[in-house]
Amino acid sequence: DAMVIQNPRYQVTQFGKPVTLSCSQTLNHNVMYWYQQKSSQAPKLLFHYYDKDFNNEADTPDNFQSRRPNTSFCFLDIRSPGLGDAAMYLCATSREPGVSRTDTQYFGPGTRLTVL
Amino acid sequence: GENVEQHPSTLSVQEGDSAVIKCTYSDSASNYFPWYKQELGKRPQLIIDIRSNVGEKKDQRIAVTLNKTAKHFSLHITETQPEDSAVYFCAASIIPGNQFYFGTGTSLTVIP
Repeated sequence: DAMVIQNPRYQVTQFGKPVTLSCSQTLNHNVMYWYQQKSSQAPKLLFHYYDKDFNNEADTPDNFQSRRPNTSFCFLDIRSPGLGDAAMYLCATSREPGVSRTDTQYFGPGTRLTVL
Repeated sequence: GENVEQHPSTLSVQEGDSAVIKCTYSDSASNYFPWYKQELGKRPQLIIDIRSNVGEKKDQRIAVTLNKTAKHFSLHITETQPEDSAVYFCAASIIPGNQFYFGTGTSLTVIP
C-alpha cells in the first residue's frame, strides 16, 4: 500500500515556467520533508515541516517554496526553474521525534523534473 | 554541522561474497544511523538502522556495526545476491530532531 505518494512521477517544464510538485501521506506523520537528488548524489534536504512549522535549510534558494495546507499534503513550488533544477525531488515523512523512538524517514517514489 | 563520509563510492562483488560499506561522521551528538537502499529510479528504502546505545544490529543477511568512539559505522551484507545491486546511502541524525545527514552513496554491483 502506498504510504507516501508523489505526483506527478515525471514533470517536464520550460525554463522559467513555475511548477508545483505534490506529496501526500497516509501515515499521519507530523514531519514532511522535501529533498533534491541529482544523478549519483545523495538526497539534499531543501526544507521540512514539523506540523505547520516551516524549516528552511540555509542554502536552499529562494526559488524553492513549500506549502503544507494540512497534515496529509505538502507541495513544492519552483517559481522559476532553471536548467540546474533538473533533478529527482523526493518527499519523505517521519513521526514526531521522540527520545525513545526511532525517527525513520519514509520516502515517496519521487518526481523527476526535466527543465527544457 | 554534521559531515558524513561514505566509502567506497563503487563496489563490485561476486555473488555469494560479502560486501562492506563504511561511513564516518563528525558530530559526536549523532545518535541514530539509518541505511537506505535505492534501486535505479526508485525511492530510498530503509533496510536497517541502529541507535547509539547499540554496537551491532543484524537482520538476516544484513548487519550494521557502530563504533561511537571512532565515530564510524558500517553496513555488512553477507551472501550477496544480484538483487542486492543498488545504491546504498548511510545517514546520521540526532534524535529527537529532524535533520538527516546523508553520505554520498555507494553503488554496489553483485556479479552473478
